[in-house]
Amino acid sequence: SAVISQKPSRDICQRGTSLTIQCQVDSQVTMMFWYRQQPGQSLTLIATANQGSEATYESGFVIDKFPISRPNLTFSTLTVSNMSPEDSSIYLCSVGKGIGGELFFGEGSRLTVL
Amino acid sequence: AQTVTQSQPEMSVQEAETVTLSCTYDTSESDYYLFWYKQPPSRQMILVIRQEAYKQQNATENRFSVNFQKAAKSFSLKISDSQLGDAAMYFCAYRSTNAGKSTFGDGTTLTVKP
Repeated sequence: SAVISQKPSRDICQRGTSLTIQCQVDSQVTMMFWYRQQPGQSLTLIATANQGSEATYESGFVIDKFPISRPNLTFSTLTVSNMSPEDSSIYLCSVGKGIGGELFFGEGSRLTVL
Repeated sequence: AQTVTQSQPEMSVQEAETVTLSCTYDTSESDYYLFWYKQPPSRQMILVIRQEAYKQQNATENRFSVNFQKAAKSFSLKISDSQLGDAAMYFCAYRSTNAGKSTFGDGTTLTVKP
């Protein structure tokens, strides 16, 4: 299993500012993912965080808007840059242990942009 | 690209009764993994059950079982003896063996009536 801590759990931000979300895992994992979820809706994959190299972004998400760092096998950050109200959402960190294994999720970071 | 479809946005069941949640998916891959995840109102996603595509036998976890029809690309979840604690949003997910990332359906909100 894996225990994931995300910070902050929630935040209210002003338009045009940036926020960095941290994800800490209690064990080394090969795969880390960042998802976005509107309340009551499905999860959309933003990117795969790769240790020691640039993240792999999904269609519709770009590095300038969502820069990701992954300095080691237990930690990653996602920054939401130049925020607008459309960025208001829940951002979830997820990790996978091995091919075909289940995903483990953090509790999420609920972001509200005014 | 893989897609996952959950055609039931909402379902309800009487406590102690049985309910089946539907899921279909589309893929050109022959080897993959399927999951059902549960997201209670507190938001943290947890695994309910997992199925390897190469296994014909349907997975079972206590009161939870699946009906996996590979040719039909169908993966339904049956919850027996429903309990109040089963109330949550349920997501069907596909995980690729090649890429490791997961694709989620839109979710089904399950209500359990006492």
